[in-house]
Formats: sequence, C-alpha cells, structure tokens
Amino acid sequence: DAKTTQPTSMDCAEGRAANLPCNHSTISGNEYVYWYRQIHSQGPQYIIHGLKNNETNEMASLIITEDRKSSTLILPHATLRDTAVYYCIVKMAAGNKLTFGGGTRVLVKP
Amino acid sequence: DAGVIQSPRHEVTEMGQEVTLRCKPISGHNSLFWYRQTMMRGLELLIYFNNNVPIDDSGMPEDRFSAKMPNASFSTLKIQPSEPRDSAVYFCASSFLEYNQPQHFGDGTRLSIL
Repeated sequence: DAKTTQPTSMDCAEGRAANLPCNHSTISGNEYVYWYRQIHSQGPQYIIHGLKNNETNEMASLIITEDRKSSTLILPHATLRDTAVYYCIVKMAAGNKLTFGGGTRVLVKP
Repeated sequence: DAGVIQSPRHEVTEMGQEVTLRCKPISGHNSLFWYRQTMMRGLELLIYFNNNVPIDDSGMPEDRFSAKMPNASFSTLKIQPSEPRDSAVYFCASSFLEYNQPQHFGDGTRLSIL
C-alpha cells in the first residue's frame, strides 16, 4: 500500500471549516484513499473514502486532486468534538489491511 | 445498533500471567481484525480473519501471542506469558468482507503488565 504524508498537527477555529491535507504521491490506480479519526480514549472511527471523484457524506468531504497524488479532508463546520487524530490511509480495493501512519492531531479551539 | 464490543476495558496483571482479550464483532460482519496501539509504534495490525479463518498473522509479535475465532460472533487474543512490553491498548475491528467496506472499531482494552 502507498505511503501517506500528513502534517503532524494543526489547529482550527470552532465553526470554521477544517482542511486536512494528505500527500500520497506513490498511489496506484487501484488504491483508494480512506480517512479515519481517533478521538481520545476511543477506537478509530471511519469518516470517508474515495478513488478519484470527490466524495461527501454527513461527516465530511473528500477532495482528491486530478493526478490523485494528494487529497484534502474537509470538516465543514468544526466543533470541539472534532478534536482528534485524523489518519489518511491508502488501501487497495481488494485488500482488508489498513496501515495507519502518524496522522494529524487536530485541535479545535473555541 | 451494537458496535464492536471488547472486554475487559482495562486489565492490569503481573508479568508471566496469561491474558485473554475478547471481542464480539458487529453482527453479520465476516472480517475481524486485532490491532495494538502504543506511543512508540502507533496503531499496528496484528492479525485478521475472514469468515473465521486467519488470513494474515504477520503482525503478531511472537509466539506468546495467539488469536482464535471459534465462530462468527467471538474472537480472543491471548498473551502467554505476558511481559511489561506488551502493555498497550488493543483494538478489535470488524467489517464486511466485500469490496471497500470500512472497518468499525471497538473502544479497546487498555492492558498494563506490571
């Protein structure tokens, strides 16, 4: 599975959009981009995934660049409860395995 | 809906003792995963099962670790004998085996080996 690079940490203001970048320059054509988050003392939580088209669900939006070498997770209106570590993972469609990196520690401030 | 249920939530025991962690996956899910999380190594996959059959145990650190899935609704991760370096949070996750289904995680077992 391709490796991902994320900033170690970032702050954002409550009520504002949070834009979380992820680089995956070695991604191959059959690999998907997944996002999970882990709130303190809880298990990781699935957020969203995509292949090449932008995706949106009730939690977030995922924007994937045309060359698929990077993506951005957007939390449209960040709340204090969105404070967590966010993991960007690249995974082959047919495989089960998730390989977690260090993630981005997001702190939402009032 | 009931999520992935792990027990116990916390376990403190002395080194050398046998430790058994338990997991009940989401009903209907046919893939089950065991992960370990430490500050030093982050979140690591230990082993996973498809349809109760172990598929990849390459992440199991050594022979002291074993995992079983006797049926679709129950799995155990056993450490015998336990060592202080086994202290970590152990997560269980489950998913549908089919194409691109996300994994759903339990809240973990925090294990401390004294």
